[in-house]
Amino acid sequence: EPEVTQTPSHQVTQMGQEVILRCVPISNHLYFYWYRQILGQKVEFLVSFYNNEISEKSEIFDDQFSVERPDGSNFTLKIRSTKLEDSAMYFCASLRTVQGMGNTEAFFGQGTRLTVV
Amino acid sequence: GESVGLHLPTLSVQEGDNSIINCAYSNSASDYFIWYKQESGKGPQFIIDIRSNMDKRQGQRVTVLLNKTVKHLSLQIAATQPGDSAVYFCAEKASGTYKYIFGTGTRLKVLA
Repeated sequence: EPEVTQTPSHQVTQMGQEVILRCVPISNHLYFYWYRQILGQKVEFLVSFYNNEISEKSEIFDDQFSVERPDGSNFTLKIRSTKLEDSAMYFCASLRTVQGMGNTEAFFGQGTRLTVV
Repeated sequence: GESVGLHLPTLSVQEGDNSIINCAYSNSASDYFIWYKQESGKGPQFIIDIRSNMDKRQGQRVTVLLNKTVKHLSLQIAATQPGDSAVYFCAEKASGTYKYIFGTGTRLKVLA
């Protein structure tokens, strides 16, 4: 069964450093997402990406964050200068939907645990 | 604004009993809802979905009910098993967007 894969599973970084979280969405999916989950809290929307551009983003997704689809398979989240409060699980998700085909579920990866020290 | 919330943060049920997990949402423009299950250290896993033009949908051992009048969503799990222990999130999607907003989550504990 196709799945969303994320690497690394755990990333430890020093405050102020840049990190890149990587995701391989399901191959025929069209929408890609990043969500984050601070320990014990709910899953928060960060950004959605469609047709090679950001389609929606939340207030959390400030100038420190960026996303990129560098090739036909990878989808990355970059945090330019990490802060302690960026420590969280980061989930990538993908969705296959085409206009007129109705709603479908977003499939989530297993997450990357980011620890900023 | 948009928000999705849950009435009970933790639900404990005896193995074999039925579970009901509730969710309230505030965005009347939401047209699609999903229940996700999240086990410890893992990503959200799809359980069942429902569109706003429906009020009930059944899967294997699970049923989702949607009451648009009071903006309420519930997940019923029949004959709850130890493997059902997890955190359950409802998520909503507003019409015209592809952004899924998650509720705060309910932890389901199944007692042997």
